[in-house]
Amino acid sequence: QKEVEQNSGPLSVPEGAIASLNCTYSDRGSQSFFWYRQYSGKSPELIMSIYSNGDKEDGRFTAQLNKASQYVSLLIRDSQPSDSATYLCAVEHSGGYQKVTFGTGTKLQVIP
Amino acid sequence: DVKVTQSSRYLVKRTGEKVFLECVQDMDHENMFWYRQDPGLGLRLIYFSYDVKMKEKGDIPEGYSVSREKKERFSLILESASTNQTSMYLCASSSLGEANEQFFGPGTRLTVL
Repeated sequence: QKEVEQNSGPLSVPEGAIASLNCTYSDRGSQSFFWYRQYSGKSPELIMSIYSNGDKEDGRFTAQLNKASQYVSLLIRDSQPSDSATYLCAVEHSGGYQKVTFGTGTKLQVIP
Repeated sequence: DVKVTQSSRYLVKRTGEKVFLECVQDMDHENMFWYRQDPGLGLRLIYFSYDVKMKEKGDIPEGYSVSREKKERFSLILESASTNQTSMYLCASSSLGEANEQFFGPGTRLTVL
């Protein structure tokens, strides 16, 4: 079982719709979770971090965390073509070494 | 703004050459990381450092070494480059205690012929 799992996609949504990206993880002791956006040919860019169960909103982005189910999601409201990118889920190890494991990413395509 | 820079965007080397990849951050971060990114495999951690002269192996350290002589600089060394080390190399840094929000450099695409 992979430590951090994401559907590779592509996930295609029409412009203006809600995009829902999902991630599951195996380390039950993890406390910190991150979403990165990576445009083609560019490096990852941090867009959201979440540490507590529930929702965290930042503009059009909402991160959701359910530690009991070991599940993290990212919702993008009013999706724009500029949101087309690969979204990486990252989970910090519980071992205390500040290490993070990344999922392989979900490619999102927003269709105009 | 956090700024992480890498010495080269593109690099072409021959098999057996010694290769140095340099990373510099200007935010006084304690932690620095080297990853490689390959299609279908995602980001994989090679080495990381949580302090000057300190280093820890990541998930795929074989064939690599690192050096951190100053807090702002973290170097990745390929002692004898091989074709299977052709990849995108990404450096990142984070602040101790800031829940490890990592900031990435632009990456170095290394091709080993």
